[in-house]
Amino acid sequence: EVQLLESGGGLVQPGGSLRLSCAASGFTFSSFAINWVRQAPGKGLEWISTINSSGGSTYYADSVKGRFTISRDNSKNTLYLQMNSLRAEDTAVYYCAKFLVRGLIRDAFDIWGQGTMVTVSS
Amino acid sequence: EIVLTQSPGTLSLSPGERATLSCRASQSVSSSYLAWYQQKPGQAPRLLIYGASSRATGIPDRFSGSGSGTDFTLTISRLEPEDFAVYYCQQCGSSFPFTFGGGTKVEIK
Repeated sequence: EVQLLESGGGLVQPGGSLRLSCAASGFTFSSFAINWVRQAPGKGLEWISTINSSGGSTYYADSVKGRFTISRDNSKNTLYLQMNSLRAEDTAVYYCAKFLVRGLIRDAFDIWGQGTMVTVSS
Repeated sequence: EIVLTQSPGTLSLSPGERATLSCRASQSVSSSYLAWYQQKPGQAPRLLIYGASSRATGIPDRFSGSGSGTDFTLTISRLEPEDFAVYYCQQCGSSFPFTFGGGTKVEIK
């Protein structure tokens, strides 16, 4: 079964850091670009970052650029999101999601993890 | 940035009725990169439609997508009880940043 499983969420103070992980299984992880998408409580979906299959190219939403870093370890089938300088407005459920077609960085997101909650509060 | 505007915000319908959801883009979107998702409370989004009109694996044929350029539509031909949810459109490749519409909630009348 194709699956993505996020972990690492929790409560963090403003200005703090957190690293999220997304463990992949059931598909050739190294062949697919992957995304992070977040959803603030009661709000809609917001794309925040994409990384290509090799990890050599990354893309960010303006809202997180310079504070968040996406990376991957293809030997461990795992995606990461390093979040620094966290703000209250970063409070959200964070999802990882893979592209439908291998190799592409422009496509629909066909498999999503269950999400991990990040709460930024003092 | 391409802004996607979904309408209506809420659609109140009865099971068996037809649902028509609209997604309008602030600039032209390649049909190849327009997707629709369904999200139920406490769950991750589920891909319904990609490439504006292709159903994802396992999606019933009562769901259909159409449109081009700046106007796209998701139609649910006959609502089943499990279809009451929030639906999002997304442009997923015309340009970064990828953007989602604000969502349409389909609720039971």
